[in-house]
Amino acid sequence: ETGVTQSPTHLIKTRGQQVTLRCSSQSGHNTVSWYQQALGQGPQFIFQYYREEENGRGNFPPRFSGLQFPNYSSELNVNALELDDSALYLCASSPWTTSSSSYEQYFGPGTRLTVT
Amino acid sequence: SQQGEEDPQALSIQEGENATMNCSYKTSINNLQWYRQNSGRGLVHLILIRSNEREKHSGRLRVTLDTSKKSSSLLITASRAADTASYFCATKTRGKLQFGAGTQVVVTP
Repeated sequence: ETGVTQSPTHLIKTRGQQVTLRCSSQSGHNTVSWYQQALGQGPQFIFQYYREEENGRGNFPPRFSGLQFPNYSSELNVNALELDDSALYLCASSPWTTSSSSYEQYFGPGTRLTVT
Repeated sequence: SQQGEEDPQALSIQEGENATMNCSYKTSINNLQWYRQNSGRGLVHLILIRSNEREKHSGRLRVTLDTSKKSSSLLITASRAADTASYFCATKTRGKLQFGAGTQVVVTP
């Protein structure tokens, strides 16, 4: 069984640039969620994808977008990077959950994004 | 905004001692989860307790849930240096898993 993997591990970008982060979900999981974690804070939910469609979104602007592919891997795209986008970006996979139930999520190691 | 709030923010103990941290949340829940994070890396799921459960054990971990007070506690018994990490509670609200700011635990030999 393969765990959740993310790439790249670290990334440094300049304000105004665009970035794409990648995530491969754990085998058998069809739901992927993305989180942003600022230093010293808990993870903040960005959005979730199920069967290639966005299925829930947190309080993040439209310049944060995503994709999920038929093999359930996923991408997070951020346009027009701002200094405050500097954070650890975490991807988590899980079996499908309804709004009224919840399973444990399996997290990847994260991508550390620094915007200068 | 974050659904859960952990208390204390930081905790420093010696090996062998017990560590207790608390989580308070705002809205009704179906379940509450605890996660551990080492050195700013990915989170590891520790335990899930359902709203109809009051206590749950997993190895050296003991979790309680009081839905009337909207609070939960995580107890780590006989702590080890390897338990040094940040601990987060998480609840699902309107389809979103929401985390608190975490408790940073340092276990010294």
